[in-house]
Amino acid sequence: EAQVTQNPRYLITVTGKKLTVTCSQNMNHEYMSWYRQDPGLGLRQIYYSMNVEVTDKGDVPEGYKVSRKEKRNFPLILESPSPNQTSLYFCASRLIVSPNTGELFFGEGSRLTVL
Amino acid sequence: TQLLEQSPQFLSIQEGENLTVYCNSSSVFSSLQWYRQEPGEGPVLLVTVVTGGEVKKLKRLTFQFGDARKDSSLHITAAQPGDTGLYLCAGGNGNQFYFGTGTSLTVIP
Repeated sequence: EAQVTQNPRYLITVTGKKLTVTCSQNMNHEYMSWYRQDPGLGLRQIYYSMNVEVTDKGDVPEGYKVSRKEKRNFPLILESPSPNQTSLYFCASRLIVSPNTGELFFGEGSRLTVL
Repeated sequence: TQLLEQSPQFLSIQEGENLTVYCNSSSVFSSLQWYRQEPGEGPVLLVTVVTGGEVKKLKRLTFQFGDARKDSSLHITAAQPGDTGLYLCAGGNGNQFYFGTGTSLTVIP
C-alpha cells in the first residue's frame, strides 16, 4: 500500500529537549515536505526537499532542521523545542511533474505538545 | 509567501443544502488543487485544475479555476454528512504549493 508514515503520532515534551519526528514514504517520490497546521492558519511549509541531499527552507523554518540522506526518509528535527512549536505536523511527498500538478500524499500527522 | 485566503472559515449547514467555498489570492498560480481533510488524518487530494476558467466536476462537487488563475471556488450540491471536513485549496508555482487558510464544513443530518 502506498503511504507516508510518520512517527510518533503523539508526543508531549518539555522545552529544550531535542526530538525527531520521522517520515518515510514507499512511493519513490523525489519531493518531500514538512508542514505545520495551526487553527486559522492552514498548512504552512517548514522545509522541503527536491531529492536526496537537496533541502530548502519553506515559510516557517526557524527552530527546525531536516536532512535527506535517503530518498524514502525525511526526518524533522527540533533541536531545542519551545512552546510555540506546539502544533500538528504533517509530512508529505509527491512526484515532481511539470507543470506543477503532482498530488501531495500526506502522512496521518504528528501532534506535538511542548510544555 | 503567496497567500491564499479562503472564505468562509467555518460553515455549518443542513443536509441537502448547497454551498460554495472561495479561495482567493493576489498571486497567479500555474495550478490549483483542492484537498479535504478529516479529523485525525492528513489531507487528501480532490482535484487539480490548471487552465484559467477550467471547470471540473466530481459527483456533487464542482471546482472552478478563475480566468486569471488567481482564485478558485468549490461548489457542493445537496451536501451530505459525509462531506463534513476541512477543505483546503493549494496554489502551485514553480516546485511549491501554497495552502489556503482552510474552510471547516459541518453538514448536519
